[in-house]
Amino acid sequence: GQNIDQPTEMTATEGAIVQINCTYQTSGFNGLFWYQQHAGEAPTFLSYNVLDGLEEKGRFSSFLSRSKGYSYLLLKELQMKDSASYLCAVMDSNYQLIWGAGTKLIIKP
Amino acid sequence: GAVVSQHPSWVICKSGTSVKIECRSLDFQATTMFWYRQFPKQSLMLMATSNEGSKATYEQGVEKDKFLINHASLTLSTLTVTSAHPEDSSFYICSAKQGQDTEAFFGQGTRLTVV
Repeated sequence: GQNIDQPTEMTATEGAIVQINCTYQTSGFNGLFWYQQHAGEAPTFLSYNVLDGLEEKGRFSSFLSRSKGYSYLLLKELQMKDSASYLCAVMDSNYQLIWGAGTKLIIKP
Repeated sequence: GAVVSQHPSWVICKSGTSVKIECRSLDFQATTMFWYRQFPKQSLMLMATSNEGSKATYEQGVEKDKFLINHASLTLSTLTVTSAHPEDSSFYICSAKQGQDTEAFFGQGTRLTVV
């Protein structure tokens, strides 16, 4: 079957760095997405990785290792507004998105 | 990025009535639209995928006669929740993409409350 695993909840301190991991087992692979979702709102796109390596975009970076079925989202210089759920999603061979359950990130002052 | 507009943002309806939710792509042609449901503190659950001009493909366990999806044009898809019941109360979100583009863009979501 297809499976996306990510931690349910993480806590970090304002100004610090946090890494949210995602492991996956899917039927084929056409890229991995990270989305941010604030409570009561639709997800917003953060990053897309299809090749191995690190993609940096401002305070957010995303890493992919296809051989390990592993990705992480790195958030630097955490701000209170970063408190949200972070969803990992993999596009399978049929170009369908398989979603993880999301990681709720709590930022403390 | 591309814009997807979903309407209404929230709706309260009486049990047994039907509710229509619209999803529009404002600046691109949405050949494929996805409808999701999300219960509190849970991840997105794909309900159905619709391609313009074709019948929607429903995920297992989703009643096609209860959740009617129409994708008659390249910019509009609608989801109608028929004979709504309190257990249908949820956050419904659409997303749309063009052709084989990998990224799908999300609407703002619709909070449905059935009383």
